[in-house]
Amino acid sequence: NAGVTQTPKFQVLKTGQSMTLQCAQDMNHNSMYWYRQDPGMGLRLIYYSASEGTTDKGEVPNGYNVSRLNKREFSLRLESAAPSQTSVYFCASGVGLSSYNEQFFGPGTRLTVL
Amino acid sequence: GQQVMQIPQYQHVQEGEDFTTYCNSSTTLSNIQWYKQRPGGHPVFLIQLVKSGEVKKQKRLTFQFGEAKKNSSLHITATQTTDVGTYFCAGPNRDDKIIFGKGTRLHILP
Repeated sequence: NAGVTQTPKFQVLKTGQSMTLQCAQDMNHNSMYWYRQDPGMGLRLIYYSASEGTTDKGEVPNGYNVSRLNKREFSLRLESAAPSQTSVYFCASGVGLSSYNEQFFGPGTRLTVL
Repeated sequence: GQQVMQIPQYQHVQEGEDFTTYCNSSTTLSNIQWYKQRPGGHPVFLIQLVKSGEVKKQKRLTFQFGEAKKNSSLHITATQTTDVGTYFCAGPNRDDKIIFGKGTRLHILP
């Protein structure tokens, strides 16, 4: 099992460009998450999905959109990238949304917006 | 909103010294989780504590959950270079979703 996979690993964008970060999990998990990690800020939740077909905003959703394409895949889209979106993006999955469930993280995408 | 506060933000220790990071909440937590992130890596789940006063050990790591379930600690005995990384605690918010602390970054001096 690959666990949680993310593509791409690295990306450089110019301000205003758009891109989609891909995430897939093969653990048959119901819930999936997108976080961003900035120095000194910990992990901040952007969006999450409780199950296929549902998505909800997290702590910092502005400037992002998501799609839960199916049970395995959860993508994050930046429509018009801004330098403030320079960050490391992690996708995670879990059995369910309950705080009792551990989260499994992907390797991350390191995004730089110039 | 609900937060879990971690201290310290950074810690430098000599190899072989002990290390402790603390996680505090203003409200009672139903459970708390701990994760480790190696430099350049991704967070990896270490453990979950559920019971008041619970203590769990993993080799040189000791995890405690406070009696009031408002705080938790991770203690590493005799640190090694493999312990380098950032340690996060995570607790539930009012909607029972996980909120991560900002983490404690551990540096080991050889």
